[in-house]
Amino acid sequence: DQQVKQNSPSLSVQEGRISILNCDYTNSMFDYFLWYKKYPAEGPTFLISISSIKDKNEDGRFTVFLNKSAKHLSLHIVPSQPGDSAVYFCAARAQKLVFGQGTRLTINP
Amino acid sequence: KAGVTQTPRYLIKTRGQQVTLSCSPISGHRSVSWYQQTPGQGLQFLFEYFSETQRNKGNFPGRFSGRQFSNSRSEMNVSTLELGDSALYLCASNPGTVQETQYFGPGTRLLVL
Repeated sequence: DQQVKQNSPSLSVQEGRISILNCDYTNSMFDYFLWYKKYPAEGPTFLISISSIKDKNEDGRFTVFLNKSAKHLSLHIVPSQPGDSAVYFCAARAQKLVFGQGTRLTINP
Repeated sequence: KAGVTQTPRYLIKTRGQQVTLSCSPISGHRSVSWYQQTPGQGLQFLFEYFSETQRNKGNFPGRFSGRQFSNSRSEMNVSTLELGDSALYLCASNPGTVQETQYFGPGTRLLVL
């Protein structure tokens, strides 16, 4: 039972353009959502989060949007840079963190 | 502060053997969580320890177990290894007061032959 789903295994974006990564969830008890970024041979690193009482949180080039009625969240990266190439995981919290399968983002020069 | 450290980084075992993985959390962090990462499955939660007690548990068979020591270091054990146990095992720590921000170690890559 995959409670958190990232339906796009990979995404390719031109440098300087916007990258949009999507995530859907099924459990309405989730109260906190996070995005993590993972480079090869490293553990995931925390990127940005959002509480379920908000619909938007912004941190520099990264913005997370939450649509609770659609049970959908997205991560926007503007402008995309080559160093953003990594695997991105969304995660949702009830009593524990539940992660999606990840989306591999590739930024092309 | 030093980050989360995991040993060993790589491990090769054969079916039926057992394995113990170690995790040292960030100094001062009392919560340690373990995850299994396999291609296409994302990070699957194994268990969380806080103050030497298992606080949360995922949906893994009893062959997967763990413990935490008084210095917050944690070990994870997998007995009777199966081919499907081949994965990256990640450890994460946080201070324990909130669950939302986990700090991950680099992981131990286990290959079962």
